[in-house]
Amino acid sequence: KNEVEQSPQNLTAQEGEFITINCSYSVGISALHWLQQHPGGGIVSLFMLSSGKKKHGRLIATINIQEKHSSLHITASHPRDSAVYICAVGSQGNLIFGKGTKLSVKP
Amino acid sequence: DSGVTQTPKHLITATGQRVTLRCSPRSGDLSVYWYQQSLDQGLQFLIQYYNGEERAKGNILERFSAQQFPDLHSELNLSSLELGDSALYFCASSPTGAHFTDTQYFGPGTRLTVL
Repeated sequence: KNEVEQSPQNLTAQEGEFITINCSYSVGISALHWLQQHPGGGIVSLFMLSSGKKKHGRLIATINIQEKHSSLHITASHPRDSAVYICAVGSQGNLIFGKGTKLSVKP
Repeated sequence: DSGVTQTPKHLITATGQRVTLRCSPRSGDLSVYWYQQSLDQGLQFLIQYYNGEERAKGNILERFSAQQFPDLHSELNLSSLELGDSALYFCASSPTGAHFTDTQYFGPGTRLTVL
């Protein structure tokens, strides 16, 4: 079993929809990261969380340490949000990545 | 633009060869991280350097080595290359030596193809 599991693997949405991507992990963590990888390959860090909730524009990330679960929400989705979203956890001097969720937002 | 630069953008080489990838961090950042992204393994953390010293080690093969120089740029050396080493190699930087509790800024990556 992978230490970091993301769901869904693939997600297609219509423009304007509310989107949720989930990340569960099985190890003790120092922090959890949400990354966005654009179709061209570039990676951008969206959030770094160790507790609670963070918001940036239309993006919201939450983490529940007790349940070892994090969610990334996108409100009012737009075609430019189409990308792969990757969850990663810092644990014992390592950064462990999920396999990513490929999001496609149709106009 | 993250402020992190990587060269070269693309590299094509043959099995058994040795290559060097270069990364310059954002101005003021002291940590440099190296990652490998392949189709079958996904993203993997290789190694972190902080202010010239190795800070954390991940899934880095013995054929791979890295260093960080006094001007804080870093190089990743890959030797005895195999077909399976074909991948995107990303560098990232962050301000401190914290173990993954800093926001990281990623470079554009170097695409390595081993033929």
